[in-house]
Amino acid sequence: DTAVSQTPKYLVTQMGNDKSIKCEQNLGHDTMYWYKQDSKKFLKIMFSYNNKELIINETVPNRFSPKSPDKAHLNLHINSLELGDSAVYFCASSPSGGGYAFFGQGTRLTVV
Amino acid sequence: AQKVTQAQTEISVVEKEDVTLDCVYETRDTTYYLFWYKQPPSGELVFLIRRNSFDEQNEISGRYSWNFQKSTSSFNFTITASQVVDSAVYFCALSLEGETSGSRLTFGEGTQLTVNP
Repeated sequence: DTAVSQTPKYLVTQMGNDKSIKCEQNLGHDTMYWYKQDSKKFLKIMFSYNNKELIINETVPNRFSPKSPDKAHLNLHINSLELGDSAVYFCASSPSGGGYAFFGQGTRLTVV
Repeated sequence: AQKVTQAQTEISVVEKEDVTLDCVYETRDTTYYLFWYKQPPSGELVFLIRRNSFDEQNEISGRYSWNFQKSTSSFNFTITASQVVDSAVYFCALSLEGETSGSRLTFGEGTQLTVNP
């Protein structure tokens, strides 16, 4: 049973398109995240949700819109994709108050 | 603000050598967690260890060991008798305990470890 699963694993799309990445966790955690890993492997947090409420939004363009239908799911929707959006996007979850963070397998987004 | 520095961008060793990956962190908080993650060529992020700021005891897990020193704000990772399968990017990270945002991680830049046969 995969603890944090995200789909798709690979996504190739053209500039200007809109795409979504889905994430689900079965760990019962209250907090979920999206991280972006750029071409230099640098990992940086984008968003954090706690019990479906947005609590971190790190100066991410508003073309990126996270949506949390329930505390087990955090999806990432990206409008009007740009070349610079090409990266690996990781979903993660953790219990409230800190501690462990478990990551999904990542989604490699390529914008052409 | 928190900061994590991994000064070694790339390290290359020959199998069976010991190797130490350095991690230095900055935070004004007295309560925090430190982590190491491994990212193999397949791309996933694999959790290796978590340490809280009140526990400076060194830890050993098989060929892996971690040296946490608050006096120098360092959390170094040593692989003993390295193997080709240890080849990966290793990330050090920090999060603040008790933060309402859960485990918001601040990552270092990563160290690419290559173990040659």
